[in-house]
Amino acid sequence: DTAVSQTPKYLVTQMGNDKSIKCEQNLGHDTMYWYKQDSKKFLKIMFSYNNKELIINETVPNRFSPKSPDKAHLNLHINSLELGDSAVYFCASSPPDSEAFFGQGTRLTVV
Amino acid sequence: GEDVEQSLFLSVREGDSSVINCTYTDSSSTYLYWYKQEPGAGLQLLTYIFSNMDMKQDQRLTVLLNKKDKHLSLRIADTQTGDSAIYFCAESDYSSASKIIFGSGTRLSIRP
Repeated sequence: DTAVSQTPKYLVTQMGNDKSIKCEQNLGHDTMYWYKQDSKKFLKIMFSYNNKELIINETVPNRFSPKSPDKAHLNLHINSLELGDSAVYFCASSPPDSEAFFGQGTRLTVV
Repeated sequence: GEDVEQSLFLSVREGDSSVINCTYTDSSSTYLYWYKQEPGAGLQLLTYIFSNMDMKQDQRLTVLLNKKDKHLSLRIADTQTGDSAIYFCAESDYSSASKIIFGSGTRLSIRP
């Protein structure tokens, strides 16, 4: 019944590893997003996809690569993880010109 | 660029009203939102207001918008312990509705 679901909820990994976070929405929305929430709780948009096409890419390192296999999925792959990547990552989706629905977040800890 | 600002902390007594304030810079903002984040949880949309409205009320929540001053507030009447959370103000404009700008969040704590 979950509208926007992310997996995993928690991810602890070592520096230098490559990891992926998956996101799926069953709301039929055209637009999906990835947001990063840092330790100070600031929420910043990273990427936005509309119908599998990249719309927004906000000064995010090339190590971050979103992948949208279909309209209902937007996965986030991160290469060569760094300590500064530790944060909570939120996936969201929205219909056109309307509010966004967020997933529960994935807490990534890089050690 | 666009910016949304909020105070970081607010403490109120249980049963009192809480007023969380927010200012934004983008004059083309079309939608203004209030999201709630409880510990370990995702962001929950509480309410939103279109920029052509001044006020919106939904049960204990009242949103006031002063478009001239670019000021948005969220009033929670009869604040309860379950209202303890971080409240995020956010805005988006019609031309770029895929991009929502968030404030830093206001941590609301309730004292007995």
